[in-house]
Amino acid sequence: GDSVTQMEGPVTLSEEAFLTINCTYTATGYPSLFWYVQYPGEGLQLLLKATKADDKGSNKGFEATYRKETTSFHLEKGSVQVSDSAVYFCALSALNTNAGKSTFGDGTTLTVKP
Amino acid sequence: EAQVTQNPRYLITVTGKKLTVTCSQNMNHEYMSWYRQDPGLGLRQIYYSMNVEVTDKGDVPEGYKVSRKEKRNFPLILESPSPNQTSLYFCASRTQGADGGYTFGSGTRLTVV
Repeated sequence: GDSVTQMEGPVTLSEEAFLTINCTYTATGYPSLFWYVQYPGEGLQLLLKATKADDKGSNKGFEATYRKETTSFHLEKGSVQVSDSAVYFCALSALNTNAGKSTFGDGTTLTVKP
Repeated sequence: EAQVTQNPRYLITVTGKKLTVTCSQNMNHEYMSWYRQDPGLGLRQIYYSMNVEVTDKGDVPEGYKVSRKEKRNFPLILESPSPNQTSLYFCASRTQGADGGYTFGSGTRLTVV
């Protein structure tokens, strides 16, 4: 079945540091890929997405590129802020008869210190 | 405001007492889904629905039921809750195309004693 593997956390960075959270996936066909963010005590929010190979999703300074050859969708940000502290989830949605099914990674906790 | 509304936010119940967690969305989304979030296990899909009267099992459906009689509502039913169903539950909805991301509710923290 489909699966998503995320870089294990927690990740602790200083403010203005560069962020990379790795995400690789296994899926049949060509899924859509997503990053979600969960702030403490809240539900998940869609951060960015990419729907086909070589697409780059971006939002709030975060970016991720859909790499079909390496089945990866790594999340990056050039300069993190304290307010970016949250849990980040990589996810995929399949484009087949099970299109209602979505698969999430285990989440990576990011803490940014001033 | 476009949103997914879950109720209740917090619930403590006893083993075996039937309960329902409600979920409603105001975006006319076709797809709705229930997830549970547990420490160390990430987010796991319980059930999903692709439209009215169309539901299917996710990865961890045992002990749960759902129904989709109206497009906007997707309640989660625990007919005989057990302590291993203590968890944080999220309802989510999205448009029909798989390229649409989910909109999540704020979550329901359930404790079964």
